[in-house]
Amino acid sequence: KQEVTQIPAALSVPEGENLVLNCSFTDSAIYNLQWFRQDPGKGLTSLLLIQSSQREQTSGRLNASLDKSSGRSTLYIAASQPGDSATYLCAGGRGYNKLIFGAGTRLAVHP
Amino acid sequence: EAGVAQSPRYKIIEKRQSVAFWCNPISGHATLYWYQQILGQGPKLLIQFQNNGVVDDSQLPKDRFSAERLKGVDSTLKIQPAKLEDSAVYLCASRISSGGSRGEQFFGPGTRLTVL
Repeated sequence: KQEVTQIPAALSVPEGENLVLNCSFTDSAIYNLQWFRQDPGKGLTSLLLIQSSQREQTSGRLNASLDKSSGRSTLYIAASQPGDSATYLCAGGRGYNKLIFGAGTRLAVHP
Repeated sequence: EAGVAQSPRYKIIEKRQSVAFWCNPISGHATLYWYQQILGQGPKLLIQFQNNGVVDDSQLPKDRFSAERLKGVDSTLKIQPAKLEDSAVYLCASRISSGGSRGEQFFGPGTRLTVL
């Protein structure tokens, strides 16, 4: 049974810092890993999708890596901004049929 | 391109009442999901449809929850009767394909349900 854990649960940093959010999963046969952003009272916005054959994906200031052998994924945020404040969720699973989510990391970036 | 639409956005009911949520996925997306997100937790899949057929409903509390997608487009999720522990955000998502290793899930804004 796939379980997804995210560390830390919450993070507060000053603007400009580079951040690393961690995600670990128990099933190494994971098919893909998707990172989402969730703003208060809103739905989920997909940030990056790493397919099973890939090791990382980049979009702007975001970079996500996937290490299936160790059961880990990291989301790197460069030069953080107050607008990055949100909850970041990772989700993985066998195929796209069923995403198993972590509980998320609540990020606060203060000016 | 329009995103996933959900209504209502907010609903407050008393326990033992019934409630229904509606979802309109992105046009052309064959796969539709309903998730339940309890405060402080990640979303949990309740049911997955492929067109108008159920693919996975293993975590749907079938004694009180039901869902349908009759024409393979819109979907409704119903709770009857509601319990206090059903208070959560109900998220609908859609995806363009069901198999293979491609196709992100796109989420709607959710319906926040409060059961008093």
